[in-house]
Amino acid sequence: DAGVIQSPRHEVTEMGQEVTLRCKPISGHNSLFWYRQTMMRGLELLIYFNNNVPIDDSGMPEDRFSAKMPNASFSTLKIQPSEPRDSAVYFCASSLARGHEQYFGPGTRLTVT
Amino acid sequence: AQKVTQAQTEISVVEKEDVTLDCVYETRDTTYYLFWYKQPPSGELVFLIRRNSFDEQNEISGRYSWNFQKSTSSFNFTITASQVVDSAVYFCALSRPPGSGNTGKLIFGQGTTLQVKP
Repeated sequence: DAGVIQSPRHEVTEMGQEVTLRCKPISGHNSLFWYRQTMMRGLELLIYFNNNVPIDDSGMPEDRFSAKMPNASFSTLKIQPSEPRDSAVYFCASSLARGHEQYFGPGTRLTVT
Repeated sequence: AQKVTQAQTEISVVEKEDVTLDCVYETRDTTYYLFWYKQPPSGELVFLIRRNSFDEQNEISGRYSWNFQKSTSSFNFTITASQVVDSAVYFCALSRPPGSGNTGKLIFGQGTTLQVKP
């Protein structure tokens, strides 16, 4: 079975540009999480969806960040406008249900210059 | 509040040595879940184990073993006869049980970088 799929794997963009990260969760998983990993802050949750509905977005840094999950097999994380401090690795993870183990995608390494 | 502490920032061992990675957690919940993940140099996060707080039985999987002690709020991870391929960052994580507004998000420790030298 395919794991969590993320695209792109690497993204380099200039400050002010819009960035869209994509995620396809494991089929049958109803929970989807977006995490961000930085050296300073480690791994932190940005937003959580359950059955395609955003449940907890308290980790989203600010209004420049938005996330959608239009269906059970696709989610996006958008940053507009991007800033250098957004440079990080963004992971998408899915799980069968809350409390179950989360399976992570390969991550998207974002560099904003 | 929930918190996970991995006091060992970096550990270096020689191949075939045993190594234990420490994890101490804080939570007020009586039910919770503990996890270990591995992040090799390639960057992906690999799930290793999930443990329910009601199950204090230690677990062994090949060269990996986990020691869960509720009395000391610890969930330590031991690699026996370490190999170069074990070199990675290892994360311990905690999640609250689903329900009552709990999202089940993972609260990660800062990670322990393990270097296994040949």
